Amino acid sequence: NAGVTQTPKFQVLKTGQSMTLQCAQDMNHNSMYWYRQDPGMGLRLIYYSASEGTTDKGEVPNGYNVSRLNKREFSLRLESAAPSQTSVYFCASSENRGNTGELFFGEGSRLTVL
Amino acid sequence: QKEVEQNSGPLSVPEGAIASLNCTYSDRGSQSFFWYRQYSGKSPELIMSIYSNGDKEDGRFTAQLNKASQYVSLLIRDSQPSDSATYLCAVRGWSATNKLIFGTGTLLAVQP
Repeated sequence: NAGVTQTPKFQVLKTGQSMTLQCAQDMNHNSMYWYRQDPGMGLRLIYYSASEGTTDKGEVPNGYNVSRLNKREFSLRLESAAPSQTSVYFCASSENRGNTGELFFGEGSRLTVL
Repeated sequence: QKEVEQNSGPLSVPEGAIASLNCTYSDRGSQSFFWYRQYSGKSPELIMSIYSNGDKEDGRFTAQLNKASQYVSLLIRDSQPSDSATYLCAVRGWSATNKLIFGTGTLLAVQP
């Protein structure tokens, strides 16, 4: 059981380049999330998808776009990368049945923008 | 004021002692409270959830919730070096669609 799988695990970009972070979950969860984690800032929500076909902005959506491709997959795109987007990105999913709130995280993607 | 606040630490405790981690939150409508553990370079993992006032125990871990004071804590009994990690407090509002808001985490160091 793979859980939540993110790719790539590491990426170095130059300012202005674009890239897409891929995320897939095999737990049949309805909700998926993208977080970024920076030193001293904790986990901040970029975008989330409560269910297939819906996406909503989180705390720090500027500079990012997302696509909920199907129930399993939720991608995060940086159209024009900036050094401020250097961070560790985590994808997560949850069942959201009732209000259990347990998030299952991927292993993270470490992005450096030069 | 941050929505979920934690002392960043590091909190240093000797092996075998009780580690006490604290978290306060600003939204009085919050209903669900969680503690995640994150080892360095790894992803967060859920260790405790609590939904009603009082204590909830699971092995060496006890979560305590006081909604009137908007305070949630995590006690780790018989602390082990393997407990050394960052502990993230997370809070969710009344609806399952409410976003989970994380604190910045407290770094715990258990000294052998």
